[in-house]
Amino acid sequence: ETGVTQTPRHLVMGMTNKKSLKCEQHLGHNAMYWYKQSAKKPLELMFVYSLEERVENNSVPSRFSPECPNSSHLFLHLHTLQPEDSALYLCASSQDYPPRGLTTQYFGPGTRLLVL
Amino acid sequence: RKEVEQDPGPFNVPEGATVAFNCTYSNSASQSFFWYRQDCRKEPKLLMSVYSSGNEDGRFTAQLNRASQYISLLIRDSKLSDSATYLCVALQGGGNKLTFGTGTQLKVEL
Repeated sequence: ETGVTQTPRHLVMGMTNKKSLKCEQHLGHNAMYWYKQSAKKPLELMFVYSLEERVENNSVPSRFSPECPNSSHLFLHLHTLQPEDSALYLCASSQDYPPRGLTTQYFGPGTRLLVL
Repeated sequence: RKEVEQDPGPFNVPEGATVAFNCTYSNSASQSFFWYRQDCRKEPKLLMSVYSSGNEDGRFTAQLNRASQYISLLIRDSKLSDSATYLCVALQGGGNKLTFGTGTQLKVEL
């Protein structure tokens, strides 16, 4: 399935590096999301964009900086990360925001990030 | 208390067995519920939505009990390919947030 794609799939970075994660959705959806999934923890919602406007920022440290240039693309810029930021970063999209009724989110394959 | 709580498992069952997972939620205003399946090192994928009246999709049956604030997933005739982590998801009241449980791991064995 290629509805939501993410690159890179794997990333190893040092604490002083700057990198960006990219997400693209081909579903014509209006909302896009960044989630963090750490081992043995539930998915944590980081950011939500609806029609290219940020509508949620769930107390995420400023070392994570999202960007949504258009409704199909979403970036997560990373700088001066910590080892505890190592996790799977999942992008998702949904037709609308807020998700209505049984509207669901479709996830990308994720970027597995390791911070050394 | 976690907003959405699941037994992490793992549940180890033989092929052909019937297995059930429960999930409890704390926000009584939660509107809708879903089960997602997540294979190892893959993204979550929607398995099924959960309707108030209960719903069935092949070998999978989902139930919602609003009075007790739990949902369940029943898998009949387990297959090896059912081995995965099953995530319980609640759409919060106001409809603006999906809250995920930590997932229940299922291992189906020969």
